Amino acid sequence: DTGVSQDPRHKITKRGQNVTFRCDPISEHNRLYWYRQTLGQGPEFLTYFQNEAQLEKSRLLSDRFSAERPKGSFSTLEIQRTEQGDSAMYLCASSSPVGREQYFGPGTRLTVT
Amino acid sequence: AQSVSQHNHHVILSEAASLELGCNYSYGGTVNLFWYVQYPGQHLQLLLKYFSGDPLVKGIKGFEAEFIKSKFSFNLRKPSVQWSDTAEYFCASDSGAGSYQLTFGKGTKLSVIP
Repeated sequence: DTGVSQDPRHKITKRGQNVTFRCDPISEHNRLYWYRQTLGQGPEFLTYFQNEAQLEKSRLLSDRFSAERPKGSFSTLEIQRTEQGDSAMYLCASSSPVGREQYFGPGTRLTVT
Repeated sequence: AQSVSQHNHHVILSEAASLELGCNYSYGGTVNLFWYVQYPGQHLQLLLKYFSGDPLVKGIKGFEAEFIKSKFSFNLRKPSVQWSDTAEYFCASDSGAGSYQLTFGKGTKLSVIP
């Protein structure tokens, strides 16, 4: 039973660089979510896809952030011109067509120096 | 906007003690509620969920939660904790309508002393 996978698990980058993260959902899950978690906080919603359509975006998702799910399977989250405030754990989750419970991946920890 | 409040930042218990972690949500409409657990070094796992029906829901590992609509609460309970329950616990809600985004509380860290 394969869960949600994320790559890379850790990323260290310099301020101003672009980074891209990948998420592979549980197979046959049509909904995919991105969240961000900082120390001492719960996860905060960023965006959500149903199949390839991006249906919701948080105000947290500035214009430096973009997410795609081109074929309705894996998704990528890109952050352009990274800032130190972008340092966080980026979590991906997926859910099935018939359920609302979300299953989370291990996350990508981003450190911006 | 929805919000979820967890009252305790850090709870320390001895093994076999009973546990109750508080959670309050702000949304006044139909709501779905969840408790997630994050064991050290692991990813978030679903403990239990409430959508409708019996307000007392049972989850994995002996956990249960009670939905009290009049108090906007969804407290997590376990009669007797074990050292292996040491983890961070997050309460979350969605609006129960067309939106699927989860709103999380800040989490409660539980430390169980053997």
